[in-house]
Amino acid sequence: GENVEQHPSTLSVQEGDSAVIKCTYSDSASNYFPWYKQELGKRPQLIIDIRSNVGEKKDQRIAVTLNKTAKHFSLHITETQPEDSAVYFCAAPQRSQAGTALIFGKGTTLSVSS
Amino acid sequence: DSGVTQTPKHLITATGQRVTLRCSPRSGDLSVYWYQQSLDQGLQFLIQYYNGEERAKGNILERFSAQQFPDLHSELNLSSLELGDSALYFCASNEGTVNTEAFFGQGTRLTVV
Repeated sequence: GENVEQHPSTLSVQEGDSAVIKCTYSDSASNYFPWYKQELGKRPQLIIDIRSNVGEKKDQRIAVTLNKTAKHFSLHITETQPEDSAVYFCAAPQRSQAGTALIFGKGTTLSVSS
Repeated sequence: DSGVTQTPKHLITATGQRVTLRCSPRSGDLSVYWYQQSLDQGLQFLIQYYNGEERAKGNILERFSAQQFPDLHSELNLSSLELGDSALYFCASNEGTVNTEAFFGQGTRLTVV
């Protein structure tokens, strides 16, 4: 099945700096890569996703890049703010005979200090 | 509010007991996914149901089982509970394909004592 590895596990930055979180996946057939943000005590929520037909996608201060050859994708947050502090999860699809589900990385705890 | 409802929010029970967690998906969503979130393990995929049928299975223990009913709500049954089963259990739903956003419920925090 799919194996998703995420690095780093923790990341501390100063407000205004950029943050980059990287993930690798194992199934070359995977074609959808979402990123979820989970604030303390809350549910995970989708913040951005990318499909394999594009190499980069941006939404204001966040962007995701995808390298299908190397089987890795990254989340980039620019001009970080204290409210960006949260746990971020990457994910990739795991396919089986019967169905497909998202497999998540172990998460990155981002701390933005002001 | 994601539209996914999980009950109860909190559950405290003793080792060896059995509990049932309930999930109501967003209106119109056919697929339900169950995840377990422990402190150091991230979001572990347990099982997926689509329109009443089991579709994909992850690292779900034999002591755990799930089902999806005709009204599309789902239940996760955990039996012979152990201390290590203490975790946050999330349900997520979407229209059915994995390539679309999965909406998470608020989770059920299970504490086994």
